[in-house]
Amino acid sequence: KAGVTQTPRYLIKTRGQQVTLSCSPISGHRSVSWYQQTPGQGLQFLFEYFSETQRNKGNFPGRFSGRQFSNSRSEMNVSTLELGDSALYLCASSLAQEGTGELFFGEGSRLTVL
Amino acid sequence: GDSVTQMEGPVTLSEEAFLTINCTYTATGYPSLFWYVQYPGEGLQLLLKATKADDKGSNKGFEATYRKETTSFHLEKGSVQVSDSAVYFCALSDPGDQGGKLIFGQGTELSVKP
Repeated sequence: KAGVTQTPRYLIKTRGQQVTLSCSPISGHRSVSWYQQTPGQGLQFLFEYFSETQRNKGNFPGRFSGRQFSNSRSEMNVSTLELGDSALYLCASSLAQEGTGELFFGEGSRLTVL
Repeated sequence: GDSVTQMEGPVTLSEEAFLTINCTYTATGYPSLFWYVQYPGEGLQLLLKATKADDKGSNKGFEATYRKETTSFHLEKGSVQVSDSAVYFCALSDPGDQGGKLIFGQGTELSVKP
């Protein structure tokens, strides 16, 4: 069974640009969550989607957005990039319809903003 | 709001030593508690979990008991191996949250020397 796949794995952008990251969940998983991981702030929850609907959102500015498609694949977008957006962005999928079950994480997309 | 506090690392142990990584939490309700592990170059994976007070989660020789009276979920292993070298994250989920949202501690890096 294929795991959670994130693309691209590495990318470099400059301030002011925008970026789109993609996540393919495990087959059959309808919940997709996104997290930002940095050395200073650790792992922080961005948002979660279930059946194309955003169910939960963390405390990030509106420059961070996401969506989920009918096949459960998800994308997140960061507009007007800032140096502080440099991070590892992790996607996780889950079977859970309610509450938080086991999350299965991808290896992440490492974004560097210059 | 809810939060998780872990003992700071890095922690360096010799093979076969006893491991304890402390984790305490603050939550308004009765959260579910988790330990995730991140091996070098890999995504996070669930190590163990407990969903109610006095539950003991266990996996791969690791154990943690949900202590409501001390709001703790300390991770223990009786005899660590070099292959246990990784970063360990304590996390909670609030039952009031719709899926996918975990609040993580800062992570504790464990290094086991032969």
